[in-house]
Amino acid sequence: TQLLEQSPQFLSIQEGENLTVYCNSSSVFSSLQWYRQEPGEGPVLLVTVVTGGEVKKLKRLTFQFGDARKDSSLHITAAQPGDTGLYLCAGARNNDMRFGAGTRLTVKP
Amino acid sequence: DVKVTQSSRYLVKRTGEKVFLECVQDMDHENMFWYRQDPGLGLRLIYFSYDVKMKEKGDIPEGYSVSREKKERFSLILESASTNQTSMYLCASSPSGGPSGNTIYFGEGSWLTVV
Repeated sequence: TQLLEQSPQFLSIQEGENLTVYCNSSSVFSSLQWYRQEPGEGPVLLVTVVTGGEVKKLKRLTFQFGDARKDSSLHITAAQPGDTGLYLCAGARNNDMRFGAGTRLTVKP
Repeated sequence: DVKVTQSSRYLVKRTGEKVFLECVQDMDHENMFWYRQDPGLGLRLIYFSYDVKMKEKGDIPEGYSVSREKKERFSLILESASTNQTSMYLCASSPSGGPSGNTIYFGEGSWLTVV
């Protein structure tokens, strides 16, 4: 079983729609990060959230860290084809980082 | 510009061969990591190192070993490759103090096929 569970695993939507993906765990993390990965590339960091209840916005992307620091969500407003990719959440504990399996998002024009 | 370089993008090896995957970072980071990525399983931590000559097992260390003789270089070794080790391998690094709040920088990945 994954330490971090991401849902949904796959998501296919039309351009302009809104969406939310989730990252859940029974463990507490000191911080949680969201990455986006494109085919043939390594993951690239989008955001780090550290404080329980924290909300961060990055243009059309809104990230929230749960109050108990066990879960997080990523909301995309008015999705665009350029948002297509694999979205990974990762939780930091001590010296290591654990990843979820990812949500593969496809935004159709 | 930050850089994590993995020496081989694509490798094909035979069952039983010894395989070396090399990773170099130019950011003077203390922490380095090796993950493997498989469809539906995400990134799974194999080993990490927080200092030269130090190593810690991750979630799936069986069948792998690592070497960190120099700060900038972290090698992953498959002593006797098996077909279930066919995967994409990602090397990463982060500054000291653990990855909490720190960015992890990834290499581009090494696609290993064991036949």
